[in-house]
Amino acid sequence: GQNIDQPTEMTATEGAIVQINCTYQTSGFNGLFWYQQHAGEAPTFLSYNVLDGLEEKGRFSSFLSRSKGYSYLLLKELQMKDSASYLCAVRDPQYGNQFYFGTGTSLTVIP
Amino acid sequence: DGGITQSPKYLFRKEGQNVTLSCEQNLNHDAMYWYRQDPGQGLRLIYYSQIVNDFQKGDIAEGYSVSREKKESFPLTVTSAQKNPTAFYLCASRGGGVTTSTDTQYFGPGTRLTVL
Repeated sequence: GQNIDQPTEMTATEGAIVQINCTYQTSGFNGLFWYQQHAGEAPTFLSYNVLDGLEEKGRFSSFLSRSKGYSYLLLKELQMKDSASYLCAVRDPQYGNQFYFGTGTSLTVIP
Repeated sequence: DGGITQSPKYLFRKEGQNVTLSCEQNLNHDAMYWYRQDPGQGLRLIYYSQIVNDFQKGDIAEGYSVSREKKESFPLTVTSAQKNPTAFYLCASRGGGVTTSTDTQYFGPGTRLTVL
């Protein structure tokens, strides 16, 4: 079956850097996505990786290693508003390009 | 403004009643999805549709039904057969064809269903 693993909770300090890891085992692979979700709201798209390496988007970066089935989301210069859940999702072409989501990592930013 | 709308945001129903959640998008996306989100379990796929008049079951389709008569609309019915329907329901759509590598899913604001 499809398996996406993320840590359940993390805490970091305002202004610091935090890395949220995601490991996956899926039948197929056609991209890894990161979403941010504030409590009670819809997930919003943050980043996408389909090739190995680092993608940078302002304070957010995402890294992918397909051979290791591993990705991470890096958040720099943390702000209080970054407190949210971060979802890792893999798109699998063997199942109609369905997205398989991890359970999410709840990040709390403290002053 | 382009986007995905879901209504209502909060919905209360009595046990044993069917209820239909609406999802509309004006992004001209072909594919649409319904997810259920429970605390500690992430998003689980209920149904998806890649084209009008066609849809497939996801991982937890039992007790749910959908229709896709129009490209912009993908309503979800939660039937009385669903054992534990109280949850946060999210609709999403995705643009591009199945070979497009850069498309992603965009989510509606969600409907929180509570069955009393």
